[in-house]
Amino acid sequence: GAGVSQSPSNKVTEKGKDVELRCDPISGHTALYWYRQSLGQGLEFLIYFQGNSAPDKSGLPSDRFSAERTGGSVSTLTIQRTQQEDSAVYLCASSSLASVEKLFFGSGTQLSVL
Amino acid sequence: AQSVSQHNHHVILSEAASLELGCNYSYGGTVNLFWYVQYPGQHLQLLLKYFSGDPLVKGIKGFEAEFIKSKFSFNLRKPSVQWSDTAEYFCAVNAKTGYSTLTFGKGTMLLVSP
Repeated sequence: GAGVSQSPSNKVTEKGKDVELRCDPISGHTALYWYRQSLGQGLEFLIYFQGNSAPDKSGLPSDRFSAERTGGSVSTLTIQRTQQEDSAVYLCASSSLASVEKLFFGSGTQLSVL
Repeated sequence: AQSVSQHNHHVILSEAASLELGCNYSYGGTVNLFWYVQYPGQHLQLLLKYFSGDPLVKGIKGFEAEFIKSKFSFNLRKPSVQWSDTAEYFCAVNAKTGYSTLTFGKGTMLLVSP
């Protein structure tokens, strides 16, 4: 597609429920990032996929968070047993191998945990 | 691992005032440095970047940044701001070696009053 697509754009869930957030990167982009943007906290790195390499999961805040990237394209971020502190905007970004530093961001998923 | 510190969380300026947003990073090796901008209701986008060479880099919309290696700094400047510069500005860094995640600062919200 023309840009990074994320769905849903908004998600309201109850504490304790599981949620799945989807990211469809720009076609051909080998690198895919998930970030979390909370008020006053800036962008918090969560996980990074680069081609077929093992993902860098060092930013995942707890074992309730996981992500996968199927076929080197679409990625799903899963949050199990959601907590109120998980409420944030979850941003996905992708970049090409030729220009790994130029990230193209999606518009994010606003997650609200009640 | 690298880290980024942005000095100001909020900056309020009048149009035509000069702007300088501070950014310091922490990392033992060589780095690439970036400024990203997020205008209200829009995606994050790259403003400028430094990889090597001339430490004074120029970006879009009249912005520039200077890399001072001895101070681990990469401050963003603009001689005369406009109302349309109202946005959140993020400094970011990644290590030059290998596959490196892009680490962002917490952001500085700039409000320019007309």
